Amino acid sequence: AQKITQTQPGMFVQEKEAVTLDCTYDTSDPSYGLFWYKQPSSGEMIFLIYQGSYDQQNATEGRYSLNFQKARKSANLVISASQLGDSAMYFCAMRAMSGNTPLVFGKGTRLSVIA
Amino acid sequence: EAEVAQSPRYKITEKSQAVAFWCDPISGHATLYWYRQILGQGPELLVQFQDESVVDDSQLPKDRFSAERLKGVDSTLKIQPAELGDSAMYLCASSYRGGATEAFFGQGTRLTVV
Repeated sequence: AQKITQTQPGMFVQEKEAVTLDCTYDTSDPSYGLFWYKQPSSGEMIFLIYQGSYDQQNATEGRYSLNFQKARKSANLVISASQLGDSAMYFCAMRAMSGNTPLVFGKGTRLSVIA
Repeated sequence: EAEVAQSPRYKITEKSQAVAFWCDPISGHATLYWYRQILGQGPELLVQFQDESVVDDSQLPKDRFSAERLKGVDSTLKIQPAELGDSAMYLCASSYRGGATEAFFGQGTRLTVV
Protein backbone atom coordinates (compact mmCIF):
# COMPACT_ATOMS: atom_id res chain seq x y z
CA ALA A 1 0.00 0.00 0.00
CA GLN A 2 1.08 3.55 -0.66
CA LYS A 3 0.80 6.57 1.62
CA ILE A 4 1.35 10.24 0.85
CA THR A 5 1.93 12.87 3.54
CA GLN A 6 1.65 16.60 2.91
CA THR A 7 2.35 18.42 6.15
CA GLN A 8 1.67 21.99 5.01
CA PRO A 9 -2.06 22.76 5.09
CA GLY A 10 -1.42 26.26 3.71
CA MET A 11 1.44 28.28 2.26
CA PHE A 12 1.84 31.92 1.28
CA VAL A 13 4.30 33.21 -1.30
CA GLN A 14 5.01 36.61 -2.75
CA GLU A 15 4.43 37.02 -6.47
CA LYS A 16 7.58 36.29 -8.52
CA GLU A 17 9.18 34.37 -5.66
CA ALA A 18 9.85 30.60 -5.60
CA VAL A 19 8.01 28.24 -3.26
CA THR A 20 8.50 24.62 -2.23
CA LEU A 21 5.58 22.35 -1.38
CA ASP A 22 6.53 19.31 0.68
CA CYS A 23 5.57 15.71 -0.01
CA THR A 24 6.79 12.53 1.65
CA TYR A 25 5.66 9.06 0.72
CA ASP A 26 5.76 5.50 1.91
CA THR A 27 5.58 2.37 -0.20
CA SER A 28 6.85 -1.17 -0.30
CA ASP A 29 6.82 -1.25 -4.10
CA PRO A 30 10.30 -1.15 -5.66
CA SER A 31 9.07 0.77 -8.69
CA TYR A 32 6.61 3.65 -8.48
CA GLY A 33 5.64 6.98 -9.94
CA LEU A 34 5.11 10.30 -8.20
CA PHE A 35 2.72 12.94 -9.52
CA TRP A 36 1.71 16.48 -8.65
CA TYR A 37 -1.71 17.93 -9.46
CA LYS A 38 -3.13 21.44 -9.15
CA GLN A 39 -6.77 22.01 -8.22
CA PRO A 40 -8.09 25.55 -8.71
CA SER A 41 -11.28 26.65 -7.00
CA SER A 42 -13.24 25.52 -10.07
CA GLY A 43 -12.53 21.93 -9.03
CA GLU A 44 -10.74 20.21 -11.88
CA MET A 45 -7.49 18.38 -11.19
CA ILE A 46 -4.71 19.51 -13.50
CA PHE A 47 -1.66 17.29 -13.96
CA LEU A 48 1.59 19.19 -13.45
CA ILE A 49 4.61 16.90 -13.31
CA TYR A 50 5.71 13.26 -13.02
CA GLN A 51 8.78 11.55 -11.52
CA GLY A 52 9.59 7.87 -11.85
CA SER A 53 11.36 6.16 -8.99
CA TYR A 54 14.20 5.05 -11.27
CA ASP A 55 14.62 8.37 -13.06
CA GLN A 56 18.14 9.66 -12.56
CA GLN A 57 17.31 13.29 -12.97
CA ASN A 58 14.72 15.45 -11.26
CA ALA A 59 11.72 16.18 -13.45
CA THR A 60 11.08 19.70 -14.74
CA GLU A 61 8.09 21.18 -16.61
CA GLY A 62 8.34 24.88 -17.26
CA ARG A 63 8.17 26.68 -13.90
CA TYR A 64 7.59 23.40 -12.06
CA SER A 65 10.36 21.13 -10.86
CA LEU A 66 10.32 18.12 -8.61
CA ASN A 67 13.01 17.78 -5.95
CA PHE A 68 13.19 13.99 -5.66
CA GLN A 69 15.16 12.53 -2.78
CA LYS A 70 14.65 8.79 -2.89
CA ALA A 71 16.52 7.94 0.30
CA ARG A 72 14.39 10.42 2.22
CA LYS A 73 11.24 9.34 0.40
CA SER A 74 10.43 12.91 -0.48
CA ALA A 75 9.15 14.47 -3.70
CA ASN A 76 8.82 18.18 -3.15
CA LEU A 77 7.33 20.47 -5.79
CA VAL A 78 9.16 23.69 -6.53
CA ILE A 79 7.31 26.48 -8.31
CA SER A 80 9.56 29.25 -9.57
CA ALA A 81 8.51 32.84 -10.30
CA SER A 82 5.07 32.43 -8.67
CA GLN A 83 2.10 34.02 -10.38
CA LEU A 84 -1.29 35.01 -8.99
CA GLY A 85 -2.83 32.24 -11.07
CA ASP A 86 -0.81 29.68 -9.12
CA SER A 87 -3.13 30.15 -6.12
CA ALA A 88 -4.81 26.75 -5.75
CA MET A 89 -4.73 23.43 -3.90
CA TYR A 90 -1.77 21.23 -4.77
CA PHE A 91 -1.87 17.46 -4.37
CA CYS A 92 0.97 14.98 -4.35
CA ALA A 93 0.06 11.48 -5.52
CA MET A 94 1.73 8.18 -6.27
CA ARG A 95 1.10 4.74 -7.67
CA ALA A 96 3.00 1.53 -8.15
CA MET A 97 4.41 0.82 -11.60
CA SER A 98 3.41 -2.82 -11.52
CA GLY A 99 -0.15 -3.75 -12.32
CA ASN A 100 -2.84 -1.16 -12.85
CA THR A 101 -3.09 0.51 -9.48
CA PRO A 102 -4.91 3.79 -8.84
CA LEU A 103 -3.36 7.06 -7.77
CA VAL A 104 -3.17 7.59 -4.00
CA PHE A 105 -3.35 11.24 -2.96
CA GLY A 106 -2.17 13.30 -0.03
CA LYS A 107 -4.40 15.80 1.78
CA GLY A 108 -3.06 18.71 -0.23
CA THR A 109 -1.52 22.12 0.39
CA ARG A 110 -3.34 25.36 -0.28
CA LEU A 111 -1.02 27.86 -1.93
CA SER A 112 -1.86 31.55 -1.86
CA VAL A 113 0.18 33.93 -4.01
CA ILE A 114 0.28 37.50 -2.74
CA ALA A 115 0.73 40.49 -5.03
CA GLU B 1 -7.96 18.71 -26.84
CA ALA B 2 -9.51 15.51 -25.53
CA GLU B 3 -10.95 15.70 -22.04
CA VAL B 4 -12.95 13.73 -19.52
CA ALA B 5 -16.58 14.82 -19.53
CA GLN B 6 -18.72 14.72 -16.40
CA SER B 7 -22.28 15.72 -15.71
CA PRO B 8 -23.91 17.31 -13.93
CA ARG B 9 -21.45 19.90 -12.59
CA TYR B 10 -23.59 20.57 -9.55
CA LYS B 11 -26.33 18.55 -7.89
CA ILE B 12 -28.46 19.29 -4.86
CA THR B 13 -30.59 16.45 -3.58
CA GLU B 14 -32.57 15.65 -0.49
CA LYS B 15 -31.42 12.86 1.76
CA SER B 16 -32.95 9.47 0.98
CA GLN B 17 -33.30 10.39 -2.69
CA ALA B 18 -31.41 8.69 -5.51
CA VAL B 19 -28.73 10.51 -7.48
CA ALA B 20 -26.60 9.56 -10.48
CA PHE B 21 -23.43 10.94 -12.03
CA TRP B 22 -22.15 10.33 -15.54
CA CYS B 23 -18.61 10.24 -16.90
CA ASP B 24 -17.25 9.91 -20.44
CA PRO B 25 -13.49 9.25 -20.41
CA ILE B 26 -10.95 10.24 -23.03
CA SER B 27 -11.34 8.07 -26.12
CA GLY B 28 -9.06 5.05 -25.98
CA HIS B 29 -8.55 5.15 -22.24
CA ALA B 30 -9.28 1.69 -20.91
CA THR B 31 -8.96 2.60 -17.24
CA LEU B 32 -11.61 4.70 -15.52
CA TYR B 33 -11.66 5.83 -11.90
CA TRP B 34 -14.28 7.38 -9.64
CA TYR B 35 -12.88 9.36 -6.71
CA ARG B 36 -14.69 11.13 -3.87
CA GLN B 37 -13.21 14.30 -2.45
CA ILE B 38 -14.52 15.67 0.82
CA LEU B 39 -13.98 19.40 1.26
CA GLY B 40 -10.42 20.13 2.42
CA GLN B 41 -9.11 16.64 1.75
CA GLY B 42 -7.51 14.71 -1.07
CA PRO B 43 -9.44 12.49 -3.47
CA GLU B 44 -10.11 8.92 -2.34
CA LEU B 45 -10.77 6.08 -4.75
CA LEU B 46 -14.26 4.66 -4.85
CA VAL B 47 -14.00 2.32 -7.83
CA GLN B 48 -11.64 1.50 -10.70
CA PHE B 49 -12.63 -0.06 -14.02
CA GLN B 50 -10.47 -1.73 -16.62
CA ASP B 51 -12.65 -1.71 -19.73
CA GLU B 52 -16.02 -2.95 -18.42
CA SER B 53 -14.61 -4.89 -15.48
CA VAL B 54 -14.29 -3.66 -11.92
CA VAL B 55 -10.66 -3.82 -10.79
CA ASP B 56 -11.04 -2.30 -7.33
CA ASP B 57 -14.21 -1.38 -5.47
CA SER B 58 -12.96 -2.13 -1.97
CA GLN B 59 -13.76 1.41 -0.75
CA LEU B 60 -17.18 1.66 -2.41
CA PRO B 61 -20.02 1.63 0.16
CA LYS B 62 -21.91 -1.08 -1.67
CA ASP B 63 -25.05 -0.83 0.44
CA ARG B 64 -25.86 2.49 -1.20
CA PHE B 65 -23.36 3.08 -4.04
CA SER B 66 -23.21 1.32 -7.37
CA ALA B 67 -21.10 1.89 -10.46
CA GLU B 68 -21.20 0.48 -13.94
CA ARG B 69 -19.35 0.78 -17.22
CA LEU B 70 -21.42 -1.53 -19.39
CA LYS B 71 -19.72 -1.11 -22.76
CA GLY B 72 -16.31 -0.19 -21.41
CA VAL B 73 -16.68 3.44 -22.42
CA ASP B 74 -18.81 5.80 -20.34
CA SER B 75 -19.70 5.14 -16.72
CA THR B 76 -22.42 5.92 -14.22
CA LEU B 77 -22.07 6.21 -10.45
CA LYS B 78 -25.28 6.00 -8.43
CA ILE B 79 -26.13 6.68 -4.80
CA GLN B 80 -29.39 5.38 -3.36
CA PRO B 81 -30.39 6.55 -0.84
CA ALA B 82 -28.25 9.66 -0.45
CA GLU B 83 -27.14 10.63 3.05
CA LEU B 84 -25.93 13.99 4.41
CA GLY B 85 -22.39 12.61 4.66
CA ASP B 86 -22.30 11.98 0.91
CA SER B 87 -21.93 15.70 0.24
CA ALA B 88 -18.62 15.94 -1.62
CA MET B 89 -16.99 16.40 -5.00
CA TYR B 90 -17.16 13.29 -7.18
CA LEU B 91 -14.29 13.16 -9.64
CA CYS B 92 -13.98 10.89 -12.65
CA ALA B 93 -10.58 10.21 -14.18
CA SER B 94 -9.21 8.07 -16.98
CA SER B 95 -5.82 6.86 -18.08
CA TYR B 96 -4.45 4.99 -21.08
CA ARG B 97 -2.83 2.51 -18.77
CA GLY B 98 -1.36 2.43 -15.29
CA GLY B 99 2.21 2.92 -14.16
CA ALA B 100 3.95 6.01 -15.50
CA THR B 101 0.97 7.51 -17.25
CA GLU B 102 -0.94 10.26 -15.54
CA ALA B 103 -4.65 10.16 -14.97
CA PHE B 104 -6.76 12.88 -16.58
CA PHE B 105 -9.62 14.25 -14.51
CA GLY B 106 -12.98 15.69 -15.38
CA GLN B 107 -14.33 18.86 -13.78
CA GLY B 108 -16.19 16.87 -11.17
CA THR B 109 -19.72 16.83 -9.82
CA ARG B 110 -20.25 18.78 -6.62
CA LEU B 111 -22.99 17.03 -4.65
CA THR B 112 -24.86 18.66 -1.80
CA VAL B 113 -27.29 16.52 0.19
CA VAL B 114 -29.82 18.50 2.22
